[in-house]
Amino acid sequence: NAGVTQTPKFRVLKTGQSMTLLCAQDMNHEYMYWYRQDPGMGLRLIHYSVGEGTTAKGEVPDGYNVSRLKKQNFLLGLESAAPSQTSVYFCASLGLGNEQFFGPGTRLTVL
Amino acid sequence: SQQGEEDPQALSIQEGENATMNCSYKTSINNLQWYRQNSGRGLVHLILIRSNEREKHSGRLRVTLDTSKKSSSLLITASRAADTASYFCATDAWTGGYNKLIFGAGTRLAVHP
Repeated sequence: NAGVTQTPKFRVLKTGQSMTLLCAQDMNHEYMYWYRQDPGMGLRLIHYSVGEGTTAKGEVPDGYNVSRLKKQNFLLGLESAAPSQTSVYFCASLGLGNEQFFGPGTRLTVL
Repeated sequence: SQQGEEDPQALSIQEGENATMNCSYKTSINNLQWYRQNSGRGLVHLILIRSNEREKHSGRLRVTLDTSKKSSSLLITASRAADTASYFCATDAWTGGYNKLIFGAGTRLAVHP
């Protein structure tokens, strides 16, 4: 099992550009999450999904959109990137024991 | 908003020593979890302690939970250089229809050979 994978690993964008981050999990988990991690802070929840076709806002959703068309995939979109969205983005899925399984992260820089 | 706050922010010890990290939180929880993050990597789940449990062990890890004080501690015994990482506590509370994990800012642990 690959667990949770994320693509790309690194990306540099210019202000105003758009991009999509892909998260995939092969554990048949229902719940999936997108977080951002900034220096000196813990993870903050952007959006989450409780199952295929459903999404909901987390703590810091502004500037991001998500889609969960297939159970194994959770996409995070930035329509018009801003420097404040420079961060490391982590995807996670929820296991049966209520533990979260994390991907390796995507390091995004917005110039 | 951050619910869990770890203390200390950074900890530097020698191999073989014990490392203790503390976490305080503000609201009622279902469980509290500890995660480890190696530099440049994703978080890895270490241990989960439920709100009705007071202590839990896993290998060299010992976690305590005091719900009256809204605090938890993670003890790593006989530390190794490979334990060097950031450690995060996360509180799990059922809020409006889903399990929400709120992470603290973490403790950076450095274990020197």
